[in-house]
Amino acid sequence: QKEVEQNSGPLSVPEGAIASLNCTYSDRGSQSFFWYRQYSGKSPELIMSIYSNGDKEDGRFTAQLNKASQYVSLLIRDSQPSDSATYLCAGPGAGSYQLTFGKGTKLSVIP
Amino acid sequence: EAGVTQSPTHLIKTRGQQATLRCSPISGHTSVYWYQQALGLGLQFLLWYDEGEERNRGNFPPRFSGRQFPNYSSELNVNALELEDSALYLCASSPGQGPYNEQFFGPGTRLTVL
Repeated sequence: QKEVEQNSGPLSVPEGAIASLNCTYSDRGSQSFFWYRQYSGKSPELIMSIYSNGDKEDGRFTAQLNKASQYVSLLIRDSQPSDSATYLCAGPGAGSYQLTFGKGTKLSVIP
Repeated sequence: EAGVTQSPTHLIKTRGQQATLRCSPISGHTSVYWYQQALGLGLQFLLWYDEGEERNRGNFPPRFSGRQFPNYSSELNVNALELEDSALYLCASSPGQGPYNEQFFGPGTRLTVL
């Protein structure tokens, strides 16, 4: 069964704030996770990959992997209206030898 | 480096017809995945091809089928179209097998069934 779960939201934050998106997973052996951004009507775009426990920063984005608690998060600092999109978490699904996608969290950044 | 390409961009069919969607992966990528995304919904996994073989399929009826060619491009065929097949069909490619490789998506084909 696939077990990559996301809070479907929607999540609204004011411009300039930090947006926090979360994803939980069930496969304790999972080591790699990916975050995708999908604008309405467009295809998903890979924005972050994380392969080890801890934090990974890229510009305004920080991905966090906590293996002990089995969650992955994406922090967006200084949120901009252009960050408004649906964010998909992807990782190994339990019992499946392929990447499994969460249902996505819709983020709205309010000017 | 060219990304994943898909054709056509839009496709309009009537119920009962057949649709063929095409995908060219990033050069060097051997795995191709197909997903269906109905309006406002999440990605639904359809099919996975690697090295010319079907490796896995999602919970879709047999009228959804496809193949992968020796150059790793792929096509998705949907027979006996139904109204609920209207969706964005996304193709993604990956440099290797398994869940430890990221997938890169094409722009999608929007299929409308009338």
